[in-house]
Amino acid sequence: AQTIHQWPVAEIKAVGSPLSLGCTIKGKSSPNLYWYWQATGGTLQQLFYSITVGQVESVVQLNLSASRPKDDQFILSTEKLLLSHSGFYLCAWSSQDTQYFGPGTRLLVL
Amino acid sequence: TQTVSQSDAHVTVFEGDSVELRCNYSYGGSIYLSWYIQHHGRGLQFLLKYYSGNPVVQGVNGFEAEFSKSDSSFHLRKASVHWSDSAVYFCAVASGSFNKLTFGAGTRLAVCP
Repeated sequence: AQTIHQWPVAEIKAVGSPLSLGCTIKGKSSPNLYWYWQATGGTLQQLFYSITVGQVESVVQLNLSASRPKDDQFILSTEKLLLSHSGFYLCAWSSQDTQYFGPGTRLLVL
Repeated sequence: TQTVSQSDAHVTVFEGDSVELRCNYSYGGSIYLSWYIQHHGRGLQFLLKYYSGNPVVQGVNGFEAEFSKSDSSFHLRKASVHWSDSAVYFCAVASGSFNKLTFGAGTRLAVCP
């Protein structure tokens, strides 16, 4: 069975500080991977997706970047956080056209 | 550009009632539709999907949805809800590349005991 893990579970960060969020998928080789952002009480906005190692497509950047350093890992980062980056970040993987989501990372930027 | 509309922001029912959560989309080509559930503070759980074939699709926990091309709709239904069905439900659409998923605004379902 496939499992998806996101880290950290939650973060409180200062405006202007850097950020790195991680996502790992186990039990699935060469998965398509995705990053989403969800404002509190809002809908999901797709940010990035990756179909292979080293290749990332941007959907909406929001002053963030993503990388896929390994087949099972997807990283979301920025060098300078904005207040508007606060929210819930979800990673997902897909199999046969269906996306399956991780537990998410809650980020509060102060 | 594909769009998804969930017209009801909030729906409140009693346990044992039936419920229908509405989803309308706009896109002219082949389309992939799905429903997800999000309990408070959690990630999304997949409920069901439609791409082709029988327009009525069955999902987990007694949920089903019906695709209508003429109405551009993919409404979610459950015959008898339980308090644990209280959550936010999201409709999502993808077209062409299944890598780009667009979500509706979500419908918050409250099931009263």
